[in-house]
Amino acid sequence: DAGITQSPRHKVTETGTPVTLRCHQTENHRYMYWYRQDPGHGLRLIHYSYGVKDTDKGEVSDGYSVSRSKTEDFLLTLESATSSQTSVYFCAISENAPSGRAIGELFFGEGSRLTVL
Amino acid sequence: RKEVEQDPGPFNVPEGATVAFNCTYSNSASQSFFWYRQDCRKEPKLLMSVYSSGNEDGRFTAQLNRASQYISLLIRDSKLSDSATYLCVVSPQGGYIPTFGRGTSLIVHP
Repeated sequence: DAGITQSPRHKVTETGTPVTLRCHQTENHRYMYWYRQDPGHGLRLIHYSYGVKDTDKGEVSDGYSVSRSKTEDFLLTLESATSSQTSVYFCAISENAPSGRAIGELFFGEGSRLTVL
Repeated sequence: RKEVEQDPGPFNVPEGATVAFNCTYSNSASQSFFWYRQDCRKEPKLLMSVYSSGNEDGRFTAQLNRASQYISLLIRDSKLSDSATYLCVVSPQGGYIPTFGRGTSLIVHP
């Protein structure tokens, strides 16, 4: 299995509090992603990174920020959590495919289940 | 039109049945194609990459049809343990943002 860990795995917090989820990889992969998964919506991209300090927004980035100061760590921050951010959050990593023309497979962390009361 | 579309199912089949899923994609420049399996409350895991020539892994066969812009997954001799959600993933040429379908639910019953 790819070396990718998420922490915390479970968190319950109150509306308005800040929350940071951490994704740590030991694979030295270039690309890192944060997704959220909710019933009826599938996986939705929040933010992604294509290198250290290189990040960009995904389709559901409002209310979230990210940072990547080292290759191995990608942090997702909810500055002021809301109940709509209750979800399961998955981190994923990837690298260029052998062809070099696209990315290869994604490896996922086990997920972080966040409940905002 | 969504970039990647899948029939959500559920596909409810008996053990031993053959079942097939399709996934259509809208970006003709798509370059990488994958099928992932996701069990309830777990992370998605790679089932198969999909190659232009098609590929087979045991009971699973994946095919790509670039002309019609779809990929397929065929599962033969279904097992109870095949019950899961199957996600189609497509990545564009030169890009690094993969697009996921919403998944197809498979339920294999005795």
